[in-house]
Amino acid sequence: QVQLQESGPGLVKPSETLSLTCTVSGGSISPYYWNWIRQSPGKGLEWIGYIYHSGSTNYNPSLQSRVTISLVASKNQFSLKLHSVTAADTAVYYCAKMSAHWFDSWGQGTLVTVSS
Amino acid sequence: DIVMTQSPDSLAVSLGERATIDCKSSQSVFFSSNNKNFLAWYQQKPGQPPKLLISWASTRESGVPDRFSGSGSGTYFTLTISSLQAEDVAVYYCQQFYNTPYTFGQGTKLEIK
Repeated sequence: QVQLQESGPGLVKPSETLSLTCTVSGGSISPYYWNWIRQSPGKGLEWIGYIYHSGSTNYNPSLQSRVTISLVASKNQFSLKLHSVTAADTAVYYCAKMSAHWFDSWGQGTLVTVSS
Repeated sequence: DIVMTQSPDSLAVSLGERATIDCKSSQSVFFSSNNKNFLAWYQQKPGQPPKLLISWASTRESGVPDRFSGSGSGTYFTLTISSLQAEDVAVYYCQQFYNTPYTFGQGTKLEIK
């Protein structure tokens, strides 16, 4: 059973870049889709985007202008960068694996607070 | 975007009784080429990530108790817990994977009466 673990700063200043990494263990990056999803009290669960094992990406249009998801297959890691953050980006951020079309493995989540 | 709307927002059911949660999508998530509904159900307990319960609207994941069942097609779906157990207290979410952006319902909080 694959396991995922998010890591990164828990506090980010407004207008700066939120950066998170997800480390995958117990399985291969291929041939799956690797996702970022966030959860906030105000907006519930929100899909941010995914990167396929080939490197192709698909982002939520609501965040597309600010999001970059990248993959380091050799390290079994993928990462999220969210630029120009505001308080509205405060949330628990999850990484998740998508085998077919649903999210079948999730990390435990990491709380990121945007505040000065 | 496909909007997913769940009802009710919260639900209290006695132990051993049936719990029913509805999910409506703003457009059909039925894909005629494979005759399947692109809908999943998740369970989230406090402090934990969501856990996949059901995919394709009605296919239980391995290890999920058979008291959980999913039904529906097109735009209207239901998650049923046939006999509520104490460990079923959680928030339940539906999610469409018919197209991106993937979207979730707002969640239904299930409690013991």
